[in-house]
Amino acid sequence: QQQVKQSPQSLIVQKGGISIINCAYENTAFDYFPWYQQFPGKGPALLIAIRPDVSEKKEGRFTISFNKSAKQFSLHIMDSQPGDSATYFCAASSGGYQKVTFGTGTKLQVIP
Amino acid sequence: DGGITQSPKYLFRKEGQNVTLSCEQNLNHDAMYWYRQDPGQGLRLIYYSQIVNDFQKGDIAEGYSVSREKKESFPLTVTSAQKNPTAFYLCASSVGGVTGELFFGEGSRLTVL
Repeated sequence: QQQVKQSPQSLIVQKGGISIINCAYENTAFDYFPWYQQFPGKGPALLIAIRPDVSEKKEGRFTISFNKSAKQFSLHIMDSQPGDSATYFCAASSGGYQKVTFGTGTKLQVIP
Repeated sequence: DGGITQSPKYLFRKEGQNVTLSCEQNLNHDAMYWYRQDPGQGLRLIYYSQIVNDFQKGDIAEGYSVSREKKESFPLTVTSAQKNPTAFYLCASSVGGVTGELFFGEGSRLTVL
């Protein structure tokens, strides 16, 4: 049973454009929603995260938008750069020691 | 520098052989995790450990075993009972509590011939 659904599976964006990745969750107990970035052959690294008490969080060119009522959240990458080309995973977790549930990933390619 | 070290980075084994993947962390984190990554399936939790000498099964524990004898170490054994062991394996750790941030190693790619 997939608890976090992520789309699209792949995305091609031109340099300078906006990349948008969407996720939806089912478990209302989730209280922490991180995004991880993974380059080929490497482990994922935390990019940005949000808690459900805020609707938006921005760090540089990266913004998370969160819609609690719709149980959806999304990652926006503004002014996308070729160096942003990577696989992005949304995730969700709840309470205490974390069992993090990951989405299936979005492979982003930013073309010059 | 603090971090998580996984070894080996690449491993080839014949079908029917057990394989042990190493994971060491010097972040002083209480919790450690093993994930399996397959194309199009994201990261799936195999086992996790919140404290030394204790660990719990994740979503896909069948055919795998772990131990946690030291805080710094959490090795994963892929046994011959694992039906489809070829994959990219990721070890992670976290402080625990409510932050949820996972710190990952660089992974081990296992290919069973």
